[in-house]
Amino acid sequence: DGGITQSPKYLFRKEGQNVTLSCEQNLNHDAMYWYRQDPGQGLRLIYYSQIVNDFQKGDIAEGYSVSREKKESFPLTVTSAQKNPTAFYLCASSAAGTAAYYGYTFGSGTRLTVV
Amino acid sequence: GENVEQHPSTLSVQEGDSAVIKCTYSDSASNYFPWYKQELGKRPQLIIDIRSNVGEKKDQRIAVTLNKTAKHFSLHITETQPEDSAVYFCAAFGSQGNLIFGKGTKLSVKP
Repeated sequence: DGGITQSPKYLFRKEGQNVTLSCEQNLNHDAMYWYRQDPGQGLRLIYYSQIVNDFQKGDIAEGYSVSREKKESFPLTVTSAQKNPTAFYLCASSAAGTAAYYGYTFGSGTRLTVV
Repeated sequence: GENVEQHPSTLSVQEGDSAVIKCTYSDSASNYFPWYKQELGKRPQLIIDIRSNVGEKKDQRIAVTLNKTAKHFSLHITETQPEDSAVYFCAAFGSQGNLIFGKGTKLSVKP
């Protein structure tokens, strides 16, 4: 998986449930990102973290939460407040100061479906 | 806010023809412009990138051009093949330290 692993690959959520998507990287990257992908909408930034114990909201943070307790891990929780969570979720990482030169490394994604 | 516009949203070409995808960006401070290819159900993969001190970059059948004055950049694929069929995303590095993506172009190459 190129050093960044997302799990599970498929996830089903019932109405009113919180679910957590896992993202782990062994690339020693400082920065990690979560994007949501809907058909025709491209990649929209949910949250990002440049260093451990710090994170910032992206363009569509409402209904989501994150934590960054370890450099390697950046889990995303989709809360019951997110009314339309069905989408493909992508995690990415970059070394500090290098996103502007080498872009991101993406995980393989988690497809979340509300049932 | 910062924005990247990408056109067209869909593009269909015959095998062997060329394909061109165009993007414009709003943040004049952007200095890095990558292009990603995403096959169905898979992760985006970086295929080529360009930095603001360069006007053009080539890698075999793909090339990217950048016009900083007009704030637009383009992806050119020559001699297209069926395996080039995918969704292509342009991006610009924003002032907040993250990539801003276009909405994607679905390229179909017909044999």
